[in-house]
Amino acid sequence: GAVVSQHPSRVICKSGTSVKIECRSLDFQATTMFWYRQFPKQSLMLMATSNEGSKATYEQGVEKDKFLINHASLTLSTLTVTSAHPEDSSFYICSALEGGRHTEAFFGQGTRLTVV
Amino acid sequence: GQNIDQPTEMTATEGAIVQINCTYQTSGFNGLFWYQQHAGEAPTFLSYNVLDGLEEKGRFSSFLSRSKGYSYLLLKELQMKDSASYLCAVSDSNYQLIWGAGTKLIIKP
Repeated sequence: GAVVSQHPSRVICKSGTSVKIECRSLDFQATTMFWYRQFPKQSLMLMATSNEGSKATYEQGVEKDKFLINHASLTLSTLTVTSAHPEDSSFYICSALEGGRHTEAFFGQGTRLTVV
Repeated sequence: GQNIDQPTEMTATEGAIVQINCTYQTSGFNGLFWYQQHAGEAPTFLSYNVLDGLEEKGRFSSFLSRSKGYSYLLLKELQMKDSASYLCAVSDSNYQLIWGAGTKLIIKP
């Protein structure tokens, strides 16, 4: 199956700093990528949908100026958590759709962010 | 509104069979997915149903009834490694995935 690589898998940062998370589709072109956040013992919460070459669509309650998403190419999307705070500590997961296929979303490995 | 319901937690015995149910109410339907997620890891794809009926894949089977807004995941010959959360997700009219909260499955020896 298709592979989505997410980096880094774990990151610890100081409060007030910014963290960038990368999501790459390794063997297919991802026209659409999704960014999710998952708190302990909870399900995935969609943060935003990004389409290559256009601005991301953010879900209600997600601050677009705090969670910057860039989808500059068909194989790379980045999520930057700006001015991180301890409450931003969470598991962030990206997923990608291949071209026009909607039958399966391929997930990255996830990034465990801890803000201290 | 859109809603996906599945039990919060289930317990089963190694070697047995367990059925995890999922009911949904969504705006449109473009398929239902089951994912497995071990603690601290990303979800992994298990099955996809878009037509009514049963899809069998090894020890795992998934059933769908669109008229009832109902699906189940059936796990046979349970192994300890099957202990995980199982997430039901529906693709709505915009192909956006609507996620259930997940069912934590505990396997006992």
